[in-house]
Amino acid sequence: RKEVEQDPGPFNVPEGATVAFNCTYSNSASQSFFWYRQDCRKEPKLLMSVYSSGNEDGRFTAQLNRASQYISLLIRDSKLSDSATYLCVVAFYKLSFGAGTTVTVRA
Amino acid sequence: GAGVSQSPSNKVTEKGKDVELRCDPISGHTALYWYRQSLGQGLEFLIYFQGNSAPDKSGLPSDRFSAERTGGSVSTLTIQRTQQEDSAVYLCASSSDRGPSNEQFFGPGTRLTVL
Repeated sequence: RKEVEQDPGPFNVPEGATVAFNCTYSNSASQSFFWYRQDCRKEPKLLMSVYSSGNEDGRFTAQLNRASQYISLLIRDSKLSDSATYLCVVAFYKLSFGAGTTVTVRA
Repeated sequence: GAGVSQSPSNKVTEKGKDVELRCDPISGHTALYWYRQSLGQGLEFLIYFQGNSAPDKSGLPSDRFSAERTGGSVSTLTIQRTQQEDSAVYLCASSSDRGPSNEQFFGPGTRLTVL
């Protein structure tokens, strides 16, 4: 079983739509959780950390469910510039990356 | 300021040849990581350096892979006797502290193609 599993998508949504997706992780001892964003043929960049109480950063909302061992990301009022692959990242003593969920926002 | 840089950006080599990939981390960052990413796959951890501590080599896929970090700064990943399955993008990242909760800053990667 992979340490971090994500629905690869793609999620194709119109501008202004809300899109949400999850990832699951296998190690219950995982300590920290993140979403990274990776544009096509570019390096990953930190989008946001995920806190136990849930957190927002503008149009992005992240949730953590430790009991069920999943993390979610919700994007509201999606923009064309949100088109990217979103990597779920879980840290125990090192970071484990999911394969990514591809989101395409169309005009 | 300058981010993480990697060279070369692209490398095409023949099966069986050795290659060296270079990473220049952000100045002052004590932690340095190497990952590889195959098409459509997540990032695969390879090796991790933290200051003067012994590196965590647990992710290296075979003994053909090795890495060193000189003077706590620049790192070189060496792949000996390259195989076609080594073809991937090799990404280097650095962070300011050891803890996994610290943001990792990635370089642009080296795209390795083994013919």
